[in-house]
Amino acid sequence: DQQVKQNSPSLSVQEGRISILNCDYTNSMFDYFLWYKKYPAEGPTFLISISSIKDKNEDGRFTVFLNKSAKHLSLHIVPSQPGDSAVYFCAAKTGNTGKLIFGQGTTLQVKP
Amino acid sequence: GAGVSQSPRYKVAKRGQDVALRCDPISGHVSLFWYQQALGQGPEFLTYFQNEAQLDKSGLPSDRFFAERPEGSVSTLKIQRTQQEDSAVYLCASAQRGYPRETQYFGPGTRLLVL
Repeated sequence: DQQVKQNSPSLSVQEGRISILNCDYTNSMFDYFLWYKKYPAEGPTFLISISSIKDKNEDGRFTVFLNKSAKHLSLHIVPSQPGDSAVYFCAAKTGNTGKLIFGQGTTLQVKP
Repeated sequence: GAGVSQSPRYKVAKRGQDVALRCDPISGHVSLFWYQQALGQGPEFLTYFQNEAQLDKSGLPSDRFFAERPEGSVSTLKIQRTQQEDSAVYLCASAQRGYPRETQYFGPGTRLLVL
């Protein structure tokens, strides 16, 4: 049972344009959501997070939007840069556990 | 400062062999997590330590998998009688104080291939 789903395995965008990565979840008990970025042969690195009491969090070029009623979140990268090319994982947590539940990942390619 | 390190980076094992994977968390970090990442999938939780106490081992797939962190720093994930389905990248992560919403810092992983 996949509680966190990233239905797009890959996304290709032009440098300077917006990248939008999507994530859906099924467990209404999730109260904290994160995006991680992963380069080949490296571990995932934390990018941005959002609490379930918010609907938007912004950090520089990265913005995460949360739609609780739709159980959907998205990551916007504006403007996209070639160095953003990586695999992006959506993850979620519940309550008092630090355990992360990850989606399958979306590979982003930003073309110069 | 130094990040999370894992060794070995790559391990090839024959089916039935026992393996031990090591994780050195960031110095002083209280929490330590192990995840398993199969090819083309996201990481899946295996187990969690707070200091030397193993507080959650609900993700360990079978009793062939065993993890320990005896002195609350370095951790070892041991897989006995490896099977081909154990082939994956094993990721370790640590967090500073043990709070649920803390950032987890991941190591580069150990890629295990069971032949």
